Amino acid sequence: GENVEQHPSTLSVQEGDSAVIKCTYSDSASNYFPWYKQELGKRPQLIIDIRSNVGEKKDQRIAVTLNKTAKHFSLHITETQPEDSAVYFCAARSPGANNLFFGTGTRLTVIP
Amino acid sequence: NAGVMQNPRHLVRRRGQEARLRCSPMKGHSHVYWYRQLPEEGLKFMVYLQKENIIDESGMPKERFSAEFPKEGPSILRIQQVVRGDSAAYFCASSPPTSGRARQFFGPGTRLTVL
Repeated sequence: GENVEQHPSTLSVQEGDSAVIKCTYSDSASNYFPWYKQELGKRPQLIIDIRSNVGEKKDQRIAVTLNKTAKHFSLHITETQPEDSAVYFCAARSPGANNLFFGTGTRLTVIP
Repeated sequence: NAGVMQNPRHLVRRRGQEARLRCSPMKGHSHVYWYRQLPEEGLKFMVYLQKENIIDESGMPKERFSAEFPKEGPSILRIQQVVRGDSAAYFCASSPPTSGRARQFFGPGTRLTVL
């Protein structure tokens, strides 16, 4: 099955700086890669996703890049704000699978 | 348009009791997924259901756990004879029955504590 690894496990940045979270996946057939933000005690919230026919996608301060050859994808948050502080999860899904395979999460802290 | 609903939000059970967790998908969604999250860990897939059908239960423990999604009413994840290791947050997600099936939206979760 698919195996998703995520780094770093914790990340602290100053407010206004950028944050980058990286994930690798094992199944070259995987074709869908969402990112979820989870605040303490809350539900995972879909913030952005990308399909394998696209190399990059941007939504305001958030962008995701995908390198199919290297089998890795990254989340970029620019101009970070304290409210960006949360745990971020990457995930991957292959065409034959019914579920998402999640990374272990990155705890992002934005220091005011 | 209401999002995915789960209840109860918190559930406390003693060892050996049964736990019943409910999930109502978003309106128009006919696919339901259950995931388990242990503290400080990612989400692990348990089971995928459509109305009246279990499609994939490859992540579900073979014993004590069962799931259903009846024609009417919410999906239910049932844990019999709970043990302390069952303590976790259980999240349900739903997706639409179209090509956008990959996009899953999560409920607020049920936090199960086994004493």
